[in-house]
Amino acid sequence: NAGVTQTPKFQVLKTGQSMTLQCAQDMNHNSMYWYRQDPGMGLRLIYYSASEGTTDKGEVPNGYNVSRLNKREFSLRLESAAPSQTSVYFCASSVMTSTDTQYFGPGTRLTVL
Amino acid sequence: GENVEQHPSTLSVQEGDSAVIKCTYSDSASNYFPWYKQELGKGPQLIIDIRSNVGEKKDQRIAVTLNKTAKHFSLHITETQPEDSAVYFCAASLNTNAGKSTFGDGTTLTVKP
Repeated sequence: NAGVTQTPKFQVLKTGQSMTLQCAQDMNHNSMYWYRQDPGMGLRLIYYSASEGTTDKGEVPNGYNVSRLNKREFSLRLESAAPSQTSVYFCASSVMTSTDTQYFGPGTRLTVL
Repeated sequence: GENVEQHPSTLSVQEGDSAVIKCTYSDSASNYFPWYKQELGKGPQLIIDIRSNVGEKKDQRIAVTLNKTAKHFSLHITETQPEDSAVYFCAASLNTNAGKSTFGDGTTLTVKP
C-alpha cells in the first residue's frame, strides 16, 4: 500500500494564479483532511471530509475550496493564490473520525510570490 | 472550540537522558489524545495515543500520561537516542461526526550524541 500520496511535492506560484493540490489514499478510509503547517504554528485544519460526498470547513478555510472526488481522492484548490498561503500542505486520512489514527501524506511545499 | 497548548517549544537533551513534553487542552469533552513525530521533510506519523478512559500507556521507550481532571497529558521518552530528534506534536480530538483534531504548536527535540 502506498498510504497517502500527494502531488505535487513542490510548487511556486505568482500572486493571483490558481492551482489544485491532489491527494489520494489507498487504505479505504472514510475521512480525509487538509492541513497547512506554518513555522511555529503546528498544523491547522483547512477543510475535511467525514465521508464521500461531504465536506466541511476547518479552522482556516478562507481562500480555499475542496472536492471529495470519490472515496480515495480529496483535492484542495487555491483559486487566486496570495503570499499568505505560502506554507506546507498536508493531506491526511483516517478510518472514520478524528479519534482514529490519522495517516499523513508527505506534504506539498507551496511558495506564492 | 478546543485549544491545545504545548510546552516546551524546543528541548535539547543528551543521549540517554529522558525527555518530557507537556500539553494542556481546554475542552473537557475531548477523549482522544495522539502524539505525532515529524522528521525533516516528512509528514507527521503517529507514535502513541491515549484515550480518556486510560491514565497511562507505554510502548517500549515511549509513554503517555493523561490527567483528565487537570486537562493535561504528557509524552515521556526514556533513554533518548539521536534518531529521536524530530518535531513532536500533541493533539486533542472529540469523537463526533465532525471528526476534527486540534494540534499543539510542536516541540523540536534535539538529542545530542
